[in-house]
Amino acid sequence: AQRVTQPEKLLSVFKGAPVELKCNYSYSGSPELFWYVQYSRQRLQLLLRHISRESIKGFTADLNKGETSFHLKKPFAQEEDSAMYYCALRGDSWGKLQFGAGTQVVVTP
Amino acid sequence: EAGVTQFPSHSVIEKGQTVTLRCDPISGHDNLYWYRRVMGKEIKFLLHFVKESKQDESGMPNNRFLAERTGGTYSTLKVQPAELEDSGVYFCASSQQRGFQETQYFGPGTRLLVL
Repeated sequence: AQRVTQPEKLLSVFKGAPVELKCNYSYSGSPELFWYVQYSRQRLQLLLRHISRESIKGFTADLNKGETSFHLKKPFAQEEDSAMYYCALRGDSWGKLQFGAGTQVVVTP
Repeated sequence: EAGVTQFPSHSVIEKGQTVTLRCDPISGHDNLYWYRRVMGKEIKFLLHFVKESKQDESGMPNNRFLAERTGGTYSTLKVQPAELEDSGVYFCASSQQRGFQETQYFGPGTRLLVL
C-alpha cells in the first residue's frame, strides 16, 4: 500500500541549529516526492521536489530509494522557518498527492 | 495573477444540513483537485478534475459528497446531508501542466464545522 510517514508531529529547534524533518514512504514503483510548507495564516505551498534537486530557502532533501526516505534538512534554522511541513508522494507522473501527517516546526531565538 | 480562491472561508452547519463549497482555480488551469484534512489526520485526496471531466474520484468518501465542475472553470463540492465526521478543512488545488513538471497550487481552504 502507498504510504507517507512523518514520525515527528512537533520539532522544536533553536535558531542557528540544524533541523531535519523525517519522511519515509512506501510505494512499489518510482514515486515523485515533494515537501510542502504552510506558514501561519498562509496557504499550502510547494517548497521543493526531489526531481529538481535544488535548494530552496536553504532547505535540501535527498531521495534515498534504498531507505525509502526523503528527509528535509537545513543546516541553520531561522525563525521564519517556523511552519507546518508536509511530505507528499505522487505515484503517477501527474495527479493526486498523498500527504504525510505533517511536522510542526518551531524555531526559537 | 490571482491564486486559487475558495468560498466560504468558514462554514458552521448542523448535522443533516447541506453545505456547498466553491473553488475557483487559477485561470487557464485544467487540473482541479479537492483534498481535505480531518481533525488530527493527514490531508487526503478527494478527487481530480481535468477540465469538466472527473479524472479520478477514488478519494470521495461516500455518496453524500458530490463534486461538479460545469464548463471546466470553477468547481463545487456539496455535502448532503452533512455528518459530524465531515468536519475539517477542505482544500482545492489547481495546476496547468501534466507530467513531471506539474505543480499544484493550493487555495486557502474552507473550514467546515458540523455540529
